[in-house]
Amino acid sequence: QQQVKQSPQSLIVQKGGIPIINCAYENTAFDYFPWYQQFPGKGPALLIAIRPDVSEKKEGRFTISFNKSAKQFSLHIMDSQPGDSATYFCAATSTGGYNKLIFGAGTRLAVHP
Amino acid sequence: DGGITQSPKYLFRKEGQNVTLSCEQNLNHDAMYWYRQDPGQGLRLIYYSQIVNDFQKGDIAEGYSVSREKKESFPLTVTSAQKNPTAFYLCASSTPQTGELFFGEGSRLTVL
Repeated sequence: QQQVKQSPQSLIVQKGGIPIINCAYENTAFDYFPWYQQFPGKGPALLIAIRPDVSEKKEGRFTISFNKSAKQFSLHIMDSQPGDSATYFCAATSTGGYNKLIFGAGTRLAVHP
Repeated sequence: DGGITQSPKYLFRKEGQNVTLSCEQNLNHDAMYWYRQDPGQGLRLIYYSQIVNDFQKGDIAEGYSVSREKKESFPLTVTSAQKNPTAFYLCASSTPQTGELFFGEGSRLTVL
């Protein structure tokens, strides 16, 4: 119940394409779903996050789609650029205290010019 | 600038030696965390601390130890009992209000 399953493990797209990364969770108590972006040799940084009261959130070229009934959420990167090449982690937790953030296994994205 | 500082960035150790990784934060966050990252395995929680002088084991605590004597500092010791210590170690902090984790730049440990 504590797992967050992420797919695919790796993804290659051409510049301008729309990579989609999917995550699924089991614990219905989760109410905070962030995505982290990590460049090689660096720590992850928060990219965008969503709470289950909305079905979609956009920040620039990044969009989270959230399906509460299916317990799934996904990250879409519009007009992808080579600079978006990084590893992306989805995560989930229940807020209102110091609850652990549960991470997916990560998706390594490569955007080719 | 507020943030998390990890040191050293790279560390080499011989088998059988203990090593300590430093983590300092000036974000005034109560909670701090240590994660281990291996290729293809995502981020695994080693230890976390919600308050000074208190900490809890994460999912892979065996072979590691921590202390939290100051709010700003959460050092991690990788002991000789850790069977496969070569990895990238990440320190993070958070507040309960947002749930957002702030990460340091990481420390890469290689056992020779």
